[in-house]
Amino acid sequence: DAGVIQSPRHEVTEMGQEVTLRCKPISGHDYLFWYRQTMMRGLELLIYFNNNVPIDDSGMPEDRFSAKMPNASFSTLKIQPSEPRDSAVYFCASRGIEVNEQFFGPGTRLTVL
Amino acid sequence: SQQGEEDPQALSIQEGENATMNCSYKTSINNLQWYRQNSGRGLVHLILIRSNEREKHSGRLRVTLDTSKKSSSLLITASRAADTASYFCATDSGGSYIPTFGRGTSLIVHP
Repeated sequence: DAGVIQSPRHEVTEMGQEVTLRCKPISGHDYLFWYRQTMMRGLELLIYFNNNVPIDDSGMPEDRFSAKMPNASFSTLKIQPSEPRDSAVYFCASRGIEVNEQFFGPGTRLTVL
Repeated sequence: SQQGEEDPQALSIQEGENATMNCSYKTSINNLQWYRQNSGRGLVHLILIRSNEREKHSGRLRVTLDTSKKSSSLLITASRAADTASYFCATDSGGSYIPTFGRGTSLIVHP
């Protein structure tokens, strides 16, 4: 298995533009997580899905953020419109049904100018 | 909000020395995990310790858990330059088993 795949790895955009981050979890994993990492706030859980259903989106900072999981092998995190304070590294992670380790993707480094 | 908080924030040692990092948390937990993050990479799981366990080993890693003090420690023995990374503890509690991550300890091992 190739592990969790994220794209793009780097994204530079201008304020006001729409940004879409993509994630392919490990096949067979039931849980998918979106995190944001910054120096100021550390690693924050934004939202997680179980069997493609959003379970807890209380970490989503604003209505500008939305996430979908249309099927078991694909998820998106969208920011519209983007702002400079959204600049961060965004990680996707997946996990099997057993209470155990999370597998993280390599992250998407987002810079909003 | 972070449940676990690592201490120290940064640690600098020489190759061959042992490195000890601590994690304190606030509420009762089900499990505590330690992860490593190399620069520019995602987090990688190292070890999980359950609330009814006191100590676990994995290679050069030793993790202890003291639920009475709500704290855990990660010991890396005979450190190597390749151990240079940030180390995070993550705790889960209640019925969700969704871990919350601390801010991490940045470890630098000088060759």
